[in-house]
Amino acid sequence: AQSVTQLGSHVSVSEGALVLLRCNYSSSVPPYLFWYVQYPNQGLQLLLKYTTGATLVKGINGFEAEFKKSETSFHLTKPSAHMSDAAEYFCAVRGANSKLTFGKGITLSVRP
Amino acid sequence: EAGVAQSPRYKIIEKRQSVAFWCNPISGHATLYWYQQILGQGPKLLIQFQNNGVVDDSQLPKDRFSAERLKGVDSTLKIQPAKLEDSAVYLCASTSQYEQFFGPGTRLTVL
Repeated sequence: AQSVTQLGSHVSVSEGALVLLRCNYSSSVPPYLFWYVQYPNQGLQLLLKYTTGATLVKGINGFEAEFKKSETSFHLTKPSAHMSDAAEYFCAVRGANSKLTFGKGITLSVRP
Repeated sequence: EAGVAQSPRYKIIEKRQSVAFWCNPISGHATLYWYQQILGQGPKLLIQFQNNGVVDDSQLPKDRFSAERLKGVDSTLKIQPAKLEDSAVYLCASTSQYEQFFGPGTRLTVL
């Protein structure tokens, strides 16, 4: 079985500051991991994914994440926050039959 | 390439009424998913189709929810009768290899 833990429900950063959103997972098989972003009243958009290979994954909008098997983590980072990054972020792990299990999400606020 | 289409975008009904949502996946995507996203939570899978067959409906409340994908393309999700706790966003997604592509969702409010 798969599960995802996203601690906390809200993160607030200043514009230009580092963004760090944490994700820990549990998986009975080698994991495929995903970060999605959801803007108000919209569906989910894929930011980045880890399947196999390089453990540092780069995504859209300057985001990246590092797969750390020993820590069962897949934290999302961005060096410099922009106002347009304000949204809700979901970490997900893929299990059998391509089924995605999502964390409960983290709301990112960016202060001017 | 057109994305996943869903309608309606918003729906308000009273409890015990019926409601139906429609989804048209990306052309050529064989796998289609319906998720329920309650406010403050991540999406929860309700049902997964592969072409017109059901792969996983273990979390679908079958006493009130039903879904079909008759020709292996578009799909409908129905709730009958609705309860207050069904208020949520219903997301449809279709998949290409590793990535699931999501529609904009239908926001259901049950009064």
